[in-house]
Amino acid sequence: DAKTTQPNSMESNEEEPVHLPCNHSTISGTDYIHWYRQLPSQGPEYVIHGLTSNVNNRMASLAIAEDRKSSTLILHRATLRDAAVYYCIRGFAGGTSYGKLTFGQGTILTVHP
Amino acid sequence: AAGVIQSPRHLIKEKRETATLKCYPIPRHDTVYWYQQGPGQDPQFLISFYEKMQSDKGSIPDRFSAQQFSDYHSELNMSSLELGDSALYFCASSLLRRGATEAFFGQGTRLTVV
Repeated sequence: DAKTTQPNSMESNEEEPVHLPCNHSTISGTDYIHWYRQLPSQGPEYVIHGLTSNVNNRMASLAIAEDRKSSTLILHRATLRDAAVYYCIRGFAGGTSYGKLTFGQGTILTVHP
Repeated sequence: AAGVIQSPRHLIKEKRETATLKCYPIPRHDTVYWYQQGPGQDPQFLISFYEKMQSDKGSIPDRFSAQQFSDYHSELNMSSLELGDSALYFCASSLLRRGATEAFFGQGTRLTVV
Protein backbone atom coordinates (compact mmCIF):
# COMPACT_ATOMS: atom_id res chain seq x y z
CA ASP A 1 0.00 0.00 0.00
CA ALA A 2 1.58 3.23 -1.13
CA LYS A 3 1.46 5.53 1.88
CA THR A 4 2.26 9.20 1.95
CA THR A 5 1.58 11.73 4.68
CA GLN A 6 0.58 15.32 4.03
CA PRO A 7 -0.77 18.12 6.23
CA ASN A 8 -4.55 18.38 6.10
CA SER A 9 -4.52 22.01 5.09
CA MET A 10 -2.31 25.00 4.38
CA GLU A 11 -2.91 28.64 3.68
CA SER A 12 -1.09 31.16 1.60
CA ASN A 13 -1.43 34.68 0.35
CA GLU A 14 -1.67 35.47 -3.30
CA GLU A 15 1.67 35.94 -5.09
CA GLU A 16 3.61 34.37 -2.24
CA PRO A 17 5.51 31.08 -2.58
CA VAL A 18 3.91 27.94 -1.17
CA HIS A 19 5.79 24.88 0.05
CA LEU A 20 3.65 21.76 0.32
CA PRO A 21 5.41 18.95 2.20
CA CYS A 22 4.97 15.21 1.80
CA ASN A 23 6.45 12.35 3.79
CA HIS A 24 6.99 8.97 2.16
CA SER A 25 9.37 7.28 4.54
CA THR A 26 8.76 3.75 3.19
CA ILE A 27 9.30 4.60 -0.43
CA SER A 28 11.06 1.98 -2.54
CA GLY A 29 13.96 2.67 -4.85
CA THR A 30 11.84 2.50 -7.98
CA ASP A 31 8.87 4.56 -6.81
CA TYR A 32 8.40 7.96 -8.34
CA ILE A 33 6.78 10.84 -6.51
CA HIS A 34 3.82 12.30 -8.36
CA TRP A 35 1.80 15.36 -7.50
CA TYR A 36 -1.73 15.90 -8.71
CA ARG A 37 -4.18 18.57 -7.71
CA GLN A 38 -7.93 18.72 -7.80
CA LEU A 39 -9.73 22.00 -8.18
CA PRO A 40 -13.31 22.19 -6.91
CA SER A 41 -15.74 20.19 -9.05
CA GLN A 42 -13.02 19.10 -11.47
CA GLY A 43 -11.03 15.98 -12.17
CA PRO A 44 -7.51 15.63 -10.80
CA GLU A 45 -4.80 17.39 -12.76
CA TYR A 46 -1.16 16.35 -13.10
CA VAL A 47 1.29 18.80 -11.59
CA ILE A 48 4.76 17.26 -11.58
CA HIS A 49 6.69 14.09 -10.82
CA GLY A 50 10.25 13.06 -9.99
CA LEU A 51 12.48 10.24 -8.83
CA THR A 52 15.65 11.57 -7.21
CA SER A 53 16.58 14.93 -8.64
CA ASN A 54 14.72 18.16 -8.17
CA VAL A 55 12.35 18.90 -11.04
CA ASN A 56 10.91 22.06 -12.50
CA ASN A 57 8.10 22.66 -14.94
CA ARG A 58 5.84 25.54 -15.85
CA MET A 59 3.48 24.81 -12.96
CA ALA A 60 5.75 24.06 -10.05
CA SER A 61 9.02 22.71 -8.69
CA LEU A 62 9.55 19.46 -6.85
CA ALA A 63 12.31 19.19 -4.28
CA ILE A 64 13.13 15.62 -3.24
CA ALA A 65 15.16 14.94 -0.12
CA GLU A 66 18.45 13.15 -0.57
CA ASP A 67 17.16 10.09 1.32
CA ARG A 68 13.91 10.28 -0.70
CA LYS A 69 11.81 9.99 2.44
CA SER A 70 10.20 13.33 1.88
CA SER A 71 9.54 15.85 -0.84
CA THR A 72 8.18 19.36 -1.21
CA LEU A 73 6.02 20.78 -3.94
CA ILE A 74 6.82 24.43 -4.50
CA LEU A 75 4.41 26.88 -6.11
CA HIS A 76 6.56 29.90 -6.73
CA ARG A 77 3.80 32.50 -6.80
CA ALA A 78 0.42 31.32 -5.62
CA THR A 79 -2.66 32.59 -7.41
CA LEU A 80 -6.29 32.24 -6.48
CA ARG A 81 -6.57 29.57 -9.18
CA ASP A 82 -4.09 27.42 -7.28
CA ALA A 83 -6.59 26.83 -4.49
CA ALA A 84 -7.13 23.09 -4.64
CA VAL A 85 -6.50 19.76 -2.94
CA TYR A 86 -2.91 18.69 -3.62
CA TYR A 87 -2.12 14.99 -3.62
CA CYS A 88 1.34 13.48 -3.22
CA ILE A 89 1.35 9.96 -4.67
CA ARG A 90 3.97 7.25 -4.80
CA GLY A 91 3.91 5.21 -7.94
CA PHE A 92 5.49 3.82 -11.02
CA ALA A 93 6.49 5.85 -13.98
CA GLY A 94 5.42 4.02 -17.07
CA GLY A 95 4.08 0.51 -17.20
CA THR A 96 0.46 -0.46 -17.20
CA SER A 97 0.18 0.10 -13.46
CA TYR A 98 1.07 3.76 -13.82
CA GLY A 99 -2.46 5.06 -13.72
CA LYS A 100 -3.40 3.04 -10.67
CA LEU A 101 -2.83 6.09 -8.56
CA THR A 102 -3.49 5.72 -4.85
CA PHE A 103 -4.95 9.02 -3.72
CA GLY A 104 -4.53 9.46 0.00
CA GLN A 105 -5.55 12.39 2.10
CA GLY A 106 -4.23 15.43 0.31
CA THR A 107 -3.54 18.98 1.43
CA ILE A 108 -6.27 21.53 1.02
CA LEU A 109 -4.56 24.73 -0.09
CA THR A 110 -6.37 27.98 0.56
CA VAL A 111 -5.05 31.11 -1.17
CA HIS A 112 -6.03 34.48 0.25
CA PRO A 113 -6.26 37.59 -1.95
CA ALA B 1 -6.09 20.30 -27.36
CA ALA B 2 -8.59 17.49 -27.05
CA GLY B 3 -9.21 16.29 -23.53
CA VAL B 4 -10.84 13.26 -21.99
CA ILE B 5 -14.56 13.37 -22.62
CA GLN B 6 -17.04 11.77 -20.27
CA SER B 7 -20.74 11.37 -20.76
CA PRO B 8 -23.17 12.00 -19.38
CA ARG B 9 -21.99 14.72 -17.02
CA HIS B 10 -24.88 14.09 -14.67
CA LEU B 11 -27.03 11.03 -14.18
CA ILE B 12 -29.87 10.30 -11.79
CA LYS B 13 -30.97 6.72 -11.31
CA GLU B 14 -33.18 4.87 -8.90
CA LYS B 15 -32.04 2.04 -6.66
CA ARG B 16 -31.68 -1.29 -8.44
CA GLU B 17 -31.48 0.36 -11.84
CA THR B 18 -28.48 0.13 -14.16
CA ALA B 19 -26.24 2.89 -15.43
CA THR B 20 -23.67 3.14 -18.19
CA LEU B 21 -20.94 5.74 -18.09
CA LYS B 22 -18.88 6.48 -21.17
CA CYS B 23 -15.33 7.72 -21.53
CA TYR B 24 -13.58 8.94 -24.66
CA PRO B 25 -9.82 9.15 -24.07
CA ILE B 26 -7.50 11.65 -25.65
CA PRO B 27 -6.88 10.57 -29.27
CA ARG B 28 -4.07 8.00 -29.60
CA HIS B 29 -3.99 7.32 -25.86
CA ASP B 30 -3.86 3.59 -25.24
CA THR B 31 -4.83 3.35 -21.58
CA VAL B 32 -8.00 4.21 -19.71
CA TYR B 33 -8.56 4.32 -15.95
CA TRP B 34 -11.74 4.63 -13.92
CA TYR B 35 -11.98 6.25 -10.51
CA GLN B 36 -14.81 6.72 -8.03
CA GLN B 37 -14.94 9.70 -5.68
CA GLY B 38 -17.62 9.63 -3.00
CA PRO B 39 -18.81 12.82 -1.28
CA GLY B 40 -15.96 14.33 0.73
CA GLN B 41 -13.65 11.46 -0.15
CA ASP B 42 -10.51 11.03 -2.24
CA PRO B 43 -10.62 9.37 -5.66
CA GLN B 44 -10.43 5.58 -5.52
CA PHE B 45 -9.08 3.52 -8.40
CA LEU B 46 -11.59 1.08 -9.86
CA ILE B 47 -10.16 -0.50 -12.99
CA SER B 48 -7.90 0.15 -15.98
CA PHE B 49 -7.48 -1.03 -19.54
CA TYR B 50 -4.41 -1.06 -21.74
CA GLU B 51 -4.88 -1.72 -25.43
CA LYS B 52 -8.41 -2.97 -24.78
CA MET B 53 -7.32 -5.53 -22.19
CA GLN B 54 -7.95 -5.16 -18.48
CA SER B 55 -4.63 -4.22 -16.95
CA ASP B 56 -5.37 -3.54 -13.30
CA LYS B 57 -8.24 -3.87 -10.90
CA GLY B 58 -8.93 -1.94 -7.75
CA SER B 59 -11.89 -1.81 -5.41
CA ILE B 60 -14.53 -2.29 -8.07
CA PRO B 61 -17.74 -3.98 -6.89
CA ASP B 62 -18.83 -7.17 -8.64
CA ARG B 63 -21.97 -5.29 -9.74
CA PHE B 64 -19.78 -3.10 -11.90
CA SER B 65 -18.12 -4.09 -15.14
CA ALA B 66 -16.15 -2.20 -17.71
CA GLN B 67 -14.59 -2.64 -21.09
CA GLN B 68 -12.54 -0.79 -23.65
CA PHE B 69 -13.67 -0.93 -27.24
CA SER B 70 -11.76 -1.08 -30.53
CA ASP B 71 -11.90 2.71 -30.85
CA TYR B 72 -10.38 2.92 -27.33
CA HIS B 73 -13.43 4.45 -25.71
CA SER B 74 -14.48 2.77 -22.50
CA GLU B 75 -17.76 2.14 -20.71
CA LEU B 76 -18.41 1.49 -17.05
CA ASN B 77 -21.57 -0.53 -16.50
CA MET B 78 -23.16 -0.43 -13.08
CA SER B 79 -26.03 -2.71 -12.17
CA SER B 80 -28.30 -3.08 -9.13
CA LEU B 81 -27.45 0.46 -8.14
CA GLU B 82 -27.30 1.27 -4.44
CA LEU B 83 -27.53 4.61 -2.67
CA GLY B 84 -23.85 4.28 -1.81
CA ASP B 85 -22.93 4.30 -5.49
CA SER B 86 -23.74 8.00 -5.62
CA ALA B 87 -20.42 9.58 -6.46
CA LEU B 88 -18.31 11.33 -9.03
CA TYR B 89 -16.85 8.90 -11.53
CA PHE B 90 -13.70 10.00 -13.28
CA CYS B 91 -12.07 8.55 -16.31
CA ALA B 92 -8.44 9.21 -17.15
CA SER B 93 -6.23 8.29 -20.06
CA SER B 94 -2.55 8.12 -20.84
CA LEU B 95 -0.18 6.98 -23.56
CA LEU B 96 1.79 4.19 -21.92
CA ARG B 97 3.52 2.74 -24.97
CA ARG B 98 5.38 6.04 -25.24
CA GLY B 99 6.36 5.86 -21.58
CA ALA B 100 3.75 8.31 -20.39
CA THR B 101 4.12 9.62 -16.88
CA GLU B 102 0.99 11.70 -16.74
CA ALA B 103 -2.66 10.72 -16.55
CA PHE B 104 -5.23 13.12 -17.97
CA PHE B 105 -8.56 13.16 -16.20
CA GLY B 106 -11.98 14.01 -17.54
CA GLN B 107 -14.49 16.29 -15.85
CA GLY B 108 -16.32 13.35 -14.38
CA THR B 109 -19.86 11.99 -14.33
CA ARG B 110 -21.89 12.77 -11.25
CA LEU B 111 -24.12 9.80 -10.50
CA THR B 112 -26.96 10.25 -8.05
CA VAL B 113 -28.87 7.19 -6.93
CA VAL B 114 -32.24 7.93 -5.33
